[in-house]
Amino acid sequence: AQSVTQLGSHVSVSEGALVLLRCNYSSSVPPYLFWYVQYPNQGLQLLLKYTTGATLVKGINGFEAEFKKSETSFHLTKPSAHMSDAAEYFCAVTLSYTDKLIFGTGTRLQVFP
Amino acid sequence: DSGVTQTPKHLITATGQRVTLRCSPRSGDLSVYWYQQSLDQGLQFLIQYYNGEERAKGNILERFSAQQFPDLHSELNLSSLELGDSALYFCASSVAAGVRTDTQYFGPGTRLTVL
Repeated sequence: AQSVTQLGSHVSVSEGALVLLRCNYSSSVPPYLFWYVQYPNQGLQLLLKYTTGATLVKGINGFEAEFKKSETSFHLTKPSAHMSDAAEYFCAVTLSYTDKLIFGTGTRLQVFP
Repeated sequence: DSGVTQTPKHLITATGQRVTLRCSPRSGDLSVYWYQQSLDQGLQFLIQYYNGEERAKGNILERFSAQQFPDLHSELNLSSLELGDSALYFCASSVAAGVRTDTQYFGPGTRLTVL
């Protein structure tokens, strides 16, 4: 069965520092992987997704993620954090042959000036 | 703004009551999904409808039901409410179904508080 593990429920970085949010997945079939962001009191917004092809995926707001099959990872990075990046980030995987999104427990990103 | 609308934004009710949450998908989207976000369970998939038909079920309780109408809006009915049903309920929509590459667009959610 597919599942997603996000390491670290809270991550704090300084403005301008590298952002690294970790996500590991478990899947018996090739996974489709997603990162969503949730700003306070808002719904979820898709940052990026990996389906097939290029393993380095670029998303909105300067974020990118790399699919590493050997490590079963899909970590989210951004070279330079901005105050507006403060939000909760969710990694998700779709179950095989369905559209169901299975979400990780989320990582809350704090950005300090 | 994702284009998905949900009403009401907030709902406060008592245990044992029944409520209905409404979702209007983005124009042209045929699939509607319902998710529950709570502190205990995180974000969980409840149910999916595609063009009026139930397509997939997740961790949806028997006290909960949903439907999608001919105009494609969807309603999630929650009955015999318990304190543990307090959560944010999200609706998402996508163009098609059975296409894992299809992006799901989320609404702003309905916050349900059961007292």
